[in-house]
Amino acid sequence: AQSVTQLGSHVSVSEGALVLLRCNYSSSVPPYLFWYVQYPNQGLQLLLKYTSAATLVKGINGFEAEFKKSETSFHLTKPSAHMSDAAEYFCAVSLPGANSKLTFGKGITLSVRP
Amino acid sequence: ETGVTQTPRHLVMGMTNKKSLKCEQHLGHNAMYWYKQSAKKPLELMFVYNFKEQTENNSVPSRFSPECPNSSHLFLHLHTLQPEDSALYLCASSQDGLLAGEETQYFGPGTRLLVL
Repeated sequence: AQSVTQLGSHVSVSEGALVLLRCNYSSSVPPYLFWYVQYPNQGLQLLLKYTSAATLVKGINGFEAEFKKSETSFHLTKPSAHMSDAAEYFCAVSLPGANSKLTFGKGITLSVRP
Repeated sequence: ETGVTQTPRHLVMGMTNKKSLKCEQHLGHNAMYWYKQSAKKPLELMFVYNFKEQTENNSVPSRFSPECPNSSHLFLHLHTLQPEDSALYLCASSQDGLLAGEETQYFGPGTRLLVL
């Protein structure tokens, strides 16, 4: 079985500051890892995913995440926050193989202060 | 229309009502999903359909009844719901009929359901 932990429910940063959203996973085999973003009144949109190629994954809107097996982490970062980054962010994990299912974390709300 | 669409966007129903949620994907995908999103809880997978066949029922109460007439359409029929069923119901689709782990799921905007 797999699981994802996103500690805390809310992160607030100033515009232009570094964004760091943490995600730790638990998996019995090397997993696939995802970050999704949900803007108000919208569905989830894929930001980036790790599928066992490069450990540093670049996504849309300037976000990136690094897979660290030794730390079982997949933290999401962006060097400079923009007001439009305010949203809810979900980390998710799945396992290789057929009939695999996505397991989501609770999500974390990012606020960006002017 | 592009992507994944859901109707209605908002729904208020009494516990004795019967209503249906509709999802349509315009991406040519083979798999479709229903998720429940409640406040401060992880998304809960409810059902998975692959090539119109149900492959997953995640212990969902029978008051939720899914229907998948073709690979582009997915319905969730609701009857005798409880107030704790109030949530955002999200539909998603993915390309590969193998439901492989690395697939990206594409989500609709959801239906916000309130059960009184």
